[in-house]
Amino acid sequence: DAGVIQSPRHEVTEMGQEVTLRCKPISGHNSLFWYRQTMMRGLELLIYFNNNVPIDDSGMPEDRFSAKMPNASFSTLKIQPSEPRDSAVYFCASSLAGEPQHFGDGTRLSIL
Amino acid sequence: QKEVEQDPGPLSVPEGAIVSLNCTYSNSAFQYFMWYRQYSRKGPELLMYTYSSGNKEDGRFTAQVDKSSKYISLFIRDSQPSDSATYLCAMRPNDYKLSFGAGTTVTVRA
Repeated sequence: DAGVIQSPRHEVTEMGQEVTLRCKPISGHNSLFWYRQTMMRGLELLIYFNNNVPIDDSGMPEDRFSAKMPNASFSTLKIQPSEPRDSAVYFCASSLAGEPQHFGDGTRLSIL
Repeated sequence: QKEVEQDPGPLSVPEGAIVSLNCTYSNSAFQYFMWYRQYSRKGPELLMYTYSSGNKEDGRFTAQVDKSSKYISLFIRDSQPSDSATYLCAMRPNDYKLSFGAGTTVTVRA
């Protein structure tokens, strides 16, 4: 079974550049989550989609962050402009409503 | 105070030992409890999933939930070097929002 697929696995870019992270959820799952993981703060929920509709974006740090889910098999998380404090591992997870979340292997983002 | 408390360790045990991990929480609305295993540079992988209080066993893994004490545990029997990872507890009420512990780093020495 294909799990949650994220790309790229690693991204290194300079401050001020636009960063786009991509996620393909598990087929048939109707809930999608974006998380950020840092040593200081652990795993933090950024945004939650249900049936492609953003339900909770209260965790999105600021207007520089945006997320979209144009269809059931694809989501993006965009940071524009990027800042060094955005450096973290970003995870996408998906689930059937009410069931446990399954995570991808993340994108390790470094902003220089 | 954090909603979910988990000792980050690190925890080092010899191969074959029992690994005991635990989390405490403060939100009495939590109903669903999970343990995830995270290897270095990988995503969290679901290990155990339980609803409400009680025990659940899956092979070498046993999860326990005591809602009256707001305390959950994970036991790994006959630990192997391949069990070396970070273990995250996670829990939620009857909605989507997971609250995670900080994770405990475990090393099983061969």
